[in-house]
Amino acid sequence: KQEVTQIPAALSVPEGENLVLNCSFTDSAIYNLQWFRQDPGKGLTSLLLIQSSQREQTSGRLNASLDKSSGRSTLYIAASQPGDSATYLCAVPTDSWGKLQFGAGTQVVVTP
Amino acid sequence: EPEVTQTPSHQVTQMGQEVILRCVPISNHLYFYWYRQILGQKVEFLVSFYNNEISEKSEIFDDQFSVERPDGSNFTLKIRSTKLEDSAMYFCASMTGATNTGELFFGEGSRLTVL
Repeated sequence: KQEVTQIPAALSVPEGENLVLNCSFTDSAIYNLQWFRQDPGKGLTSLLLIQSSQREQTSGRLNASLDKSSGRSTLYIAASQPGDSATYLCAVPTDSWGKLQFGAGTQVVVTP
Repeated sequence: EPEVTQTPSHQVTQMGQEVILRCVPISNHLYFYWYRQILGQKVEFLVSFYNNEISEKSEIFDDQFSVERPDGSNFTLKIRSTKLEDSAMYFCASMTGATNTGELFFGEGSRLTVL
């Protein structure tokens, strides 16, 4: 059974520092990996989707890497801003597309 | 930008009452999902729906739950007789199916509080 773990559970950084968020999964036979942002009491905003054939994917200040063989993905957020404060979740499909297994998330606080 | 919309944003109900949560997926999407997140816990899969029938459901999705696409735009989740443990945020999601990316788009969620 696929298990997804995110470390650390919480992270606090001063504005301007780069953020490094980790996601690990136990079964390397994944189709893709998706990173989401969740603001308190709100929905899930898709940030990046990285296909199993890709090593990395970039969108603006965000960069996600994927190492399937070691079961890891890392989300980098450059030059953090207070508006980046949120919980970041990673998720992988299990036995079918759309049936995602989520990690517990990393709660990020960026202080001005 | 197209988005998944959900109503109501928050519903409070008494235990044993029926609840219907509504979703309007992105218009050209073919695959529809419900997920839930109990406070402080992980987001968990409930059910997937394609071509007007359930594709897959989790152990959570028992006989008290049902889904329906009553017209070309709405996708609903019904809980027949709510229990205290059904209190959670319920998320609707959709996927296009036209490309092979497998990217899911989620709505803002409906918070259900069962008293």
